[in-house]
Formats: sequence, C-alpha cells, structure tokens
Amino acid sequence: AQKITQTQPGMFVQEKEAVTLDCTYDTSDPSYGLFWYKQPSSGEMIFLIYQGSYDQQNATEGRYSLNFQKARKSANLVISASQLGDSAMYFCAMREINQGGKLIFGQGTELSVKP
Amino acid sequence: SQTIHQWPATLVQPVGSPLSLECTVEGTSNPNLYWYRQAAGRGLQLLFYSVGIGQISSEVPQNLSASRPQDRQFILSSKKLLLSDSGFYLCAWSTTGGSGNTIYFGEGSWLTVV
Repeated sequence: AQKITQTQPGMFVQEKEAVTLDCTYDTSDPSYGLFWYKQPSSGEMIFLIYQGSYDQQNATEGRYSLNFQKARKSANLVISASQLGDSAMYFCAMREINQGGKLIFGQGTELSVKP
Repeated sequence: SQTIHQWPATLVQPVGSPLSLECTVEGTSNPNLYWYRQAAGRGLQLLFYSVGIGQISSEVPQNLSASRPQDRQFILSSKKLLLSDSGFYLCAWSTTGGSGNTIYFGEGSWLTVV
C-alpha cells in the first residue's frame, strides 16, 4: 500500500494567487514527521517545511504553510502569493520513528505558475 | 554549517561498465546517509541507508551496492550497469534517524546508461 499519496500529477496557478497541494499518508506509527520538498528543473531537492505528528499547530515557513489534519491523515502544502519561481515539482514525504529514519516520498505534483 | 557534495554531476556509461558515485558531508559527525534514485518524472526511491561506518541497509534488490568507508563518505557502486540503472541519483544526510530530523540532499548525479 502507498504510504504517501499525492493525487495531483500537475497543477496550474495564477501568479500572486494561493495554491494547495494535496498529500495523504498512511502509518500506524504514533511518532512521525511530514516534510515537503521542492525540486526545480535543476534537480536539487530543497527542504520547505516540516510538521511533527505531535505538533499542535500547523507549521509555517514564510509563504509556505502546512495544513495538518491528523485524523484525516492529510498534510497539504499551501503556497500563498505564488511566484513564477515557484514552478517546480513538489514532493510530500514521511519519516516514521520505527522505520530507521527512512524518508518515504510521494510521486510528486508538478506546479506551474502562470504570469 | 553543514554541506553535502556528490560527484560526478553527470555521467554517461555503456551497459556493462562499472559505476562509482561518491558523496561527502562536511560540518557534522556520524550522520545518517542515504542514496535515492529518481526515474524520469517519478518520485524518489530509497536505495540504501547507513547509520554508521560499514553499516549499510539495502532497500531494493538490484545490481547496485553501497559502502561507507569513512564517517562522512558514502559511495554507490555497480560492477556492471544495466540500462534500467539510468536515472537521477541523490545522496542525502540527516543528524539521526529521528522522525523530526530533516534530511538534506546533495546536488544529484545524472546517470545515463547507453
């Protein structure tokens, strides 16, 4: 079974608008971490934001925020005020405390920001 | 601050030839180290991870191997490459295996097997 599911292969957003990238996960581990990475066309993986399973508040980092709904096992990334430079692949990933620290990735969402 | 480097950045190799990709981390001690592979247009697949010198865990059976001869050095190897080994290879590190520790990636190596 898929541990991390990203159901949107591609998304379009108008510059300066907000966009939500979906991510659902599956785990029975009580302690886990959820991460979002950005991968531009150059290939590098850039860490964006982290949410711990015990965190009470949603994580925020500048224009990025994570909409964490634990009961629904979802960890959606919200990008506010989209910029042309936000065009890239976005990956959701999970680390489980009982899995040796391995980071498991979803299949990614390709975001295109239109001027 | 910590940095991670991997090389070579780009590699074109014939089928059946050997492979060696190298990764080093600076500015930290006893990191967890990882090798991931990304096929074109797809997500990242964990190949190997290491929690210490000489300790390697393999995630996927394949003709690749990994070694960690020094604390901050991680090497991905193959004796005979297959066409299916083509892809983008990423080395990564984290301070420990805790679920809250961020994993940071190197610049990646593009491998084309011809």
